[in-house]
Amino acid sequence: AQKITQTQPGMFVQEKEAVTLDCTYDTSDQSYGLFWYKQPSSGEMIFLIYQGSYDEQNATEGRYSLNFQKARKSANLVISASQLGDSAMYFCAMREDSQGGSEKLVFGKGTKLTVNP
Amino acid sequence: GAGVSQSPSNKVTEKGKDVELRCDPISGHTALYWYRQSLGQGLEFLIYFQGNSAPDKSGLPSDRFSAERTGGSVSTLTIQRTQQEDSAVYLCASSRYTDTQYFGPGTRLTVL
Repeated sequence: AQKITQTQPGMFVQEKEAVTLDCTYDTSDQSYGLFWYKQPSSGEMIFLIYQGSYDEQNATEGRYSLNFQKARKSANLVISASQLGDSAMYFCAMREDSQGGSEKLVFGKGTKLTVNP
Repeated sequence: GAGVSQSPSNKVTEKGKDVELRCDPISGHTALYWYRQSLGQGLEFLIYFQGNSAPDKSGLPSDRFSAERTGGSVSTLTIQRTQQEDSAVYLCASSRYTDTQYFGPGTRLTVL
């Protein structure tokens, strides 16, 4: 079974509007971390935001916020006031913190976001 | 400060040749990771180094792949007898212990 599921292969949003990118995850660990990365056409993976499984508050970083619903195992990324430069692939990833684990990230297949002027 | 650097940025090679990809992590980062990104498989973990501990090689797809990390800093990923299915972007990341991983720009490998 997939550990990270991103059900939206592509999304479109108008400039200055908000957009939500979906991510659901599957783990039996109690301790884990959830990440969102942005990959523009240049190819570099850019870290956006992190949510720990024990964090009670949703993470926020500028225009990015993470809507964390632990019981539903979802970690959706919300981008407010979209900009043309937000057009990119967005990846959700999970790190399982089980003892002896390698801290590796498991990625979803990504969502391609296009911001229209 | 300087981010993760990788070289070369692009590598074209012939099937059967060996290639070496280099990663220079962020100074002071103890952990280093290699991932592979291909159209068919998405982003896959390859190998993880943490300080002086034995590396986690569980993601290496075959024994043609190997990696080393010298002096706890620079890492080299070696692919022997390259095959066309090895064509992908190879991404390196580093982190301070188990914190957020920061990625380099990647090496695009094309095997003809």
